[in-house]
Amino acid sequence: DAGVIQSPRHEVTEMGQEVTLRCKPISGHNSLFWYRQTMMRGLELLIYFNNNVPIDDSGMPEDRFSAKMPNASFSTLKIQPSEPRDSAVYFCASSIVGGGDKAFFGQGTRLTVV
Amino acid sequence: EDKVVQSPLSLVVHEGDTVTLNCSYEVTNFRSLLWYKQEKKAPTFLFMLTSSGIEKKSGRLSSILDKKELSSILNITATQTGDSAIYLCAVVKAAGNKLTFGGGTRVLVKP
Repeated sequence: DAGVIQSPRHEVTEMGQEVTLRCKPISGHNSLFWYRQTMMRGLELLIYFNNNVPIDDSGMPEDRFSAKMPNASFSTLKIQPSEPRDSAVYFCASSIVGGGDKAFFGQGTRLTVV
Repeated sequence: EDKVVQSPLSLVVHEGDTVTLNCSYEVTNFRSLLWYKQEKKAPTFLFMLTSSGIEKKSGRLSSILDKKELSSILNITATQTGDSAIYLCAVVKAAGNKLTFGGGTRVLVKP
């Protein structure tokens, strides 16, 4: 099993540009989470999906952030326009609804907005 | 608002020492508490606890949940330099399946 796959691993972009982060969950998992990690705020949940449906997006910072899950094997997190304060490591994780609460994390995308 | 608080924030020990990490929580309708280890990259799963008083063990690591005290501890005995990491605690509520994380404890094990 390849685990949760995220791309790109690193992204450096200029303020104002659009950024798209991608995630492929573990095959058979039907719950997908987007987290953001910074030194100041730790690991924060941005949004999560069950069976491709957004369940809780209360952690999404503002309208500049959006997330989609068009099918069971792919999700995107988009930031438009990006700002320097969005610099962080973004993790995607997946789990099985009703199959225990253990979530598996991808390797993360380190985003730097200059 | 749900809260998960970990202590200490960080600690430095020497190889062979024993380490005890704490996680306390304030959530409604608690279901489970999970421990993760994060080295340079992704958090990796260590334990999941749902019942009070039952110790989970894996090698030199062990963990126990106290639902009365709304807390959990993670113990690492005979520490090694490879135990240096951030240890994260997360809580899951009965309704839904999202993990709410604490701020983590950074452990540095010196040779």
